[in-house]
Amino acid sequence: DQQVKQNSPSLSVQEGRISILNCDYTNSMFDYFLWYKKYPAEGPTFLISISSIKDKNEDGRFTVFLNKSAKHLSLHIVPSQPGDSAVYFCAASGAQGGSEKLVFGKGTKLTVNP
Amino acid sequence: DVKVTQSSRYLVKRTGEKVFLECVQDMDHENMFWYRQDPGLGLRLIYFSYDVKMKEKGDIPEGYSVSREKKERFSLILESASTNQTSMYLCASSPRGQLKETQYFGPGTRLLVL
Repeated sequence: DQQVKQNSPSLSVQEGRISILNCDYTNSMFDYFLWYKKYPAEGPTFLISISSIKDKNEDGRFTVFLNKSAKHLSLHIVPSQPGDSAVYFCAASGAQGGSEKLVFGKGTKLTVNP
Repeated sequence: DVKVTQSSRYLVKRTGEKVFLECVQDMDHENMFWYRQDPGLGLRLIYFSYDVKMKEKGDIPEGYSVSREKKERFSLILESASTNQTSMYLCASSPRGQLKETQYFGPGTRLLVL
């Protein structure tokens, strides 16, 4: 049973516009959420995170929103740049006896067109 | 900066061979993880370790074993490689603490089993 779901395998946007990547989770015990970015043939790199005590966290062009009642989070990238083209993974932790384990979604491939 | 290195970027092995994948981190992290990434399946946890000589199974441990003799090094072993173990293998580490911590990933090893 998938606990973290990214229902859009791919997303294509124009340079300069907003990219919105979505993630849903099923386990209400998750209390920390992260987004990772992955280029081909490289390891994922941490992008931004949010604790369940917040509903928004911003870092430059990247903002993560958390809606606990809907068990939904989203990553907004504004403005989108061609270098943002990558696979984005949503991850969650806190459900299974310790904060160390992360549960990942399947990823969304973002393509930003010049 | 945290650095996680993996012994090989690309590896080609034959069915039935014993395969060792090595991971080293230089930030004195307690936690280390092995994942595999496959198209459409995201990142799946194989094994993780909270401390030297300690290991716990992840979601897909079958066909794999691990070794952690030193804090900085975490090895993944394929006892008898099979073609369905062809994948991208990612190692990660994180510090243990009361605050939520981010996992830092290595560059990955792309393994092809013929």
